[in-house]
Amino acid sequence: KAGVTQTPRYLIKTRGQQVTLSCSPISGHRSVSWYQQTPGQGLQFLFEYFSETQRNKGNFPGRFSGRQFSNSRSEMNVSTLELGDSALYLCASSLSGVRTDTQYFGPGTRLTVL
Amino acid sequence: DAKTTQPNSMESNEEEPVHLPCNHSTISGTDYIHWYRQLPSQGPEYVIHGLTSNVNNRMASLAIAEDRKSSTLILHRATLRDAAVYYCTGGTSYGKLTFGQGTILTVHP
Repeated sequence: KAGVTQTPRYLIKTRGQQVTLSCSPISGHRSVSWYQQTPGQGLQFLFEYFSETQRNKGNFPGRFSGRQFSNSRSEMNVSTLELGDSALYLCASSLSGVRTDTQYFGPGTRLTVL
Repeated sequence: DAKTTQPNSMESNEEEPVHLPCNHSTISGTDYIHWYRQLPSQGPEYVIHGLTSNVNNRMASLAIAEDRKSSTLILHRATLRDAAVYYCTGGTSYGKLTFGQGTILTVHP
């Protein structure tokens, strides 16, 4: 079974631009979670989608948004990029996002904001 | 959210057992304890999870304290491939894992 894929793997943007990252979950998984990883803050939860609905959200500004499609693929968007948005963005999929589910992570998208 | 506390780093020799501790004193009664590890340039990888009783799988064992305020991940025979950052996470709620700073495990040949 193919793992979680994320595209692109690397991105370089400038301040003020916007960016869209894509995540394809494992086949059959309906829950997709997004995380931001930085050296200073570590791994932080952004949001989770299940059946095209956002069910959970972390403590990030409204510039960070996402969506999920009917095939469970998910995208996240960051508008008006700031230098501090430079990070590794990880998505993880699971069957249904419940407490006992294992999350399977993709390799991440490395975003650099100049 | 459950807050987890782990040692910043630990070292081990190859083929020796490793005990990685985690404190999660604020964990709720229904939150599962999950352990993940992250190898360089990769996303986190699931290791093991449990609720109250000890758990074993092919990768590791998880020992959970009776009061659930702490747990220990046990790698029975460390290999060089086990060198990674290990995270214990305080349960999930609608796809949310709350990660601490993790423990950097160094394995010496």
